[in-house]
Amino acid sequence: RKEVEQDPGPFNVPEGATVAFNCTYSNSASQSFFWYRQDCRKEPKLLMSVYSSGNEDGRFTAQLNRASQYISLLIRDSKLSDSATYLCVVRNQGGKLIFGQGTELSVKP
Amino acid sequence: NAGVTQTPKFQVLKTGQSMTLQCAQDMNHNSMYWYRQDPGMGLRLIYYSASEGTTDKGEVPNGYNVSRLNKREFSLRLESAAPSQTSVYFCASSDAGTTIYEQYFGPGTRLTVT
Repeated sequence: RKEVEQDPGPFNVPEGATVAFNCTYSNSASQSFFWYRQDCRKEPKLLMSVYSSGNEDGRFTAQLNRASQYISLLIRDSKLSDSATYLCVVRNQGGKLIFGQGTELSVKP
Repeated sequence: NAGVTQTPKFQVLKTGQSMTLQCAQDMNHNSMYWYRQDPGMGLRLIYYSASEGTTDKGEVPNGYNVSRLNKREFSLRLESAAPSQTSVYFCASSDAGTTIYEQYFGPGTRLTVT
């Protein structure tokens, strides 16, 4: 079983739609959680950290459920520019980042 | 600031050839990392260097060696390339003194081994 698992998609949605990505992790001792964004043929970049109380950054909302070992990312009012691959990332006890395989999002006009 | 830079951007090797991928960062970060990214596999850690003078194996170190030349530079060497090493290689750095542990990535090296 992979340590971090995501639905690979692709998710194809119209502009303005709300889309949710889910992620599960297997190591209950994982310490920190993140969503990274990767544009086609580019490097990953940090989108947002995920806090236990949930957090929001504009149209993006991240949630963490430690009991279920589950992380989510909600994007409201999708824009064409949101098209990318979204990587769920977990930091383990040793301080290393473990990446999910990514969920591809395509927002259409 | 250039952030994290990598050279070369593209490389084609024949099986058995060797090469070194170069990485440099100008953010004064202590930690540096090498990943490979393959379709459906996500990013996998090859080697990392928590601080200048130290290196450790990651998830997939076989067939690779690294050198942390100084605080800025961290190179990855393929001694005898194999087709299974065809991949996109990313270098990253982080300031492990912060609480966020954000990693900053270079633009990647696309390597094909024939």
